[in-house]
Amino acid sequence: DIQMTQSPSTLSASVGDRVTVTCRASQRIGTLLAWYQQKPGKAPHLLIYGTSTLQSGVPLRFSGSGSGTEFTLTISGLQPDDFATYYCQQFQTYSRTFGQGTRVEIK
Amino acid sequence: QVQLQESGPGLVKPSQTLSLTCSVSGDSIRSGSYYWSWIRQHPGKGLEWLGYIFYSGIPYYNPSLMSRVTISLDTSENQFSLKLTSVTAADTAVYYCARENYGLYPRIEDWGQGTLVTVSS
Repeated sequence: DIQMTQSPSTLSASVGDRVTVTCRASQRIGTLLAWYQQKPGKAPHLLIYGTSTLQSGVPLRFSGSGSGTEFTLTISGLQPDDFATYYCQQFQTYSRTFGQGTRVEIK
Repeated sequence: QVQLQESGPGLVKPSQTLSLTCSVSGDSIRSGSYYWSWIRQHPGKGLEWLGYIFYSGIPYYNPSLMSRVTISLDTSENQFSLKLTSVTAADTAVYYCARENYGLYPRIEDWGQGTLVTVSS
């Protein structure tokens, strides 16, 4: 299984901040990575796929980059609606795996 | 717009089998571009991929659960199902069904709302 490790586990930030979440894969996954946002009591919501392609309707302040084993999700100008938990997921192998999540909380 | 809806018992006794169904509307599970997936989330924890099934009926499972998990299709009802045998309290979780687009850049675009299953006597 490919292990996905996100850092940090929790991130404290203020509205307007630029924040970055990192996801590292235990082996190379090319660019087969997606990012999701989840709010309490709700299903995850797709933000980015193929490492950097923004899902339709997702604000442009979200961006993704990386390849191989290291990937980042950046939120440029954090908004009140962005306080949530973020997960990465790899699609390199038939057995899909998620990162453990990064909670973005209000500083 | 596809919609997915999980259904099944909210309470299962230890050692019994957890059975959930995902009803799909707005698309056919015989569509050739999707994997029909199950994912769970333990209370306050992260997401765990359980497995998926292709329209051909071929499933793929999380290796750590492979001995206990079965995912199947019911094309007549446009549903797919999850069975998890020999459950323990550790299987208490919110269970999501989802549709994965497995194209050039795979992703899960559509999720059910999730259903909480508690394992307790």
